[in-house]
Amino acid sequence: QKEVEQNSGPLSVPEGAIASLNCTYSDRVSQSFFWYRQYSGKSPELIMSIYSNGDKEDGRFTAQLNKASQYVSLLIRDSQPSDSATYLCAVNRGYSTLTFGKGTMLLVSP
Amino acid sequence: DAGVIQSPRHEVTEMGQEVTLRCKPISGHDYLFWYRQTMMRGLELLIYFNNNVPIDDSGMPEDRFSAKMPNASFSTLKIQPSEPRDSAVYFCASSREGTAYNEQFFGPGTRLTVL
Repeated sequence: QKEVEQNSGPLSVPEGAIASLNCTYSDRVSQSFFWYRQYSGKSPELIMSIYSNGDKEDGRFTAQLNKASQYVSLLIRDSQPSDSATYLCAVNRGYSTLTFGKGTMLLVSP
Repeated sequence: DAGVIQSPRHEVTEMGQEVTLRCKPISGHDYLFWYRQTMMRGLELLIYFNNNVPIDDSGMPEDRFSAKMPNASFSTLKIQPSEPRDSAVYFCASSREGTAYNEQFFGPGTRLTVL
């Protein structure tokens, strides 16, 4: 089983819709979780961090964490074409390193 | 504040040549990470440093790869000799010890093409 799994997509949503991106992880000792956005040809950009069960909201973004089920998700409300990118889920096991999923490509159509 | 700085941004070289990638972490950050990204394998951690000391190099693919961090503001990743399969985007990232999340911030990357 891969340590961090994401559906590769693409996930296609119309402009204004809610995009839901999911990630599962295998190591129960994982402590903190991150969502990075990566535009084509660019570097990963940190957009959300979460380490407690429940929801964390930042503008149009909401991260959701369920440690019992070992999944973390990212909701993007009022999706815009500029949100079209690959979203990488990353997991920290309490050490300094992150394990990344391969990412989900999101396409938002006007 | 300046982010993570990497150079060069693009490197094209021929098989067998030595390649040196450079990174300047964010000032005050204690950790520095080197990653490689390919379509097939995604983002892979190669090596990381804490306070200039290499902590884990288990991700370095072969002895052809080496990394150094002579001071807190500079690190290099060297490939000698380079091979076509080394073609990838190489990212450097840094983070600060003691933060709640151990958030890592990435540089712009170096796109390496080995012919």
